[in-house]
Amino acid sequence: QSVLTQPSSASGTPGQRVTISCSGSSSNIGSNYVYWYQQLPGTAPKLLIYKNDQRPSGVPDRFSGSKSGTSASLAISGLRSEDEADYYCAAWDDSLSGPVFGGGTKLTVL
Amino acid sequence: QLQLQESGPGLVEPSETLSLTCSVSGGSIGSTNYYWGWIRQPPGKGLEWIGSIYYSGNTYYNPSLKSRVFISVDTSRNRFSLRLTSVTAADTAVYYCARHVWQQWDRYFDYWGQGTLVTVSS
Repeated sequence: QSVLTQPSSASGTPGQRVTISCSGSSSNIGSNYVYWYQQLPGTAPKLLIYKNDQRPSGVPDRFSGSKSGTSASLAISGLRSEDEADYYCAAWDDSLSGPVFGGGTKLTVL
Repeated sequence: QLQLQESGPGLVEPSETLSLTCSVSGGSIGSTNYYWGWIRQPPGKGLEWIGSIYYSGNTYYNPSLKSRVFISVDTSRNRFSLRLTSVTAADTAVYYCARHVWQQWDRYFDYWGQGTLVTVSS
């Protein structure tokens, strides 16, 4: 059972906008930054969003993050087939004194 | 470009100790504001943080694994290592090493190794 809660799956058609939610608590999302990782099949996770809504160099602006209270979301606009992957949210947890992850959301591009 | 590479046995017997090493190239493990971490992912499941270490040897461990985990660092060889004792089938996973950005309010993994599958079985 993951500390952060994500839907297990999401889907969309090419060109659509999809959002993935991430729910936590006051000890993690409520008081710390949220991060998003993309894991393409058979590869290591890759940092997609940091500090709630910042994109590392090279990440397309189709990807955006937001946070409100103890929840966060990742939005992907102009969905492309290469976006099909698992997406994980993460945050520092003050009670754990370490990072916690969501269970992951498998995004399917129909 | 920073690169991390995990190495170690792919098969460990139950009750034995899992040992992995992460070699870092393209950057110094002694850089400030960076810890070095281990994360694992059981087959078909999500990510779990195991622990992280600073070049000075300071460590943070996941409380759920703390009694069985030991992470060490070798700055002379630019690498760090993981030991997990008394393993069971539940420890079967892909183990990743990663650079752990560690600033006051901003902590995340920015560079990851490719991962190595460790299977616990007799």
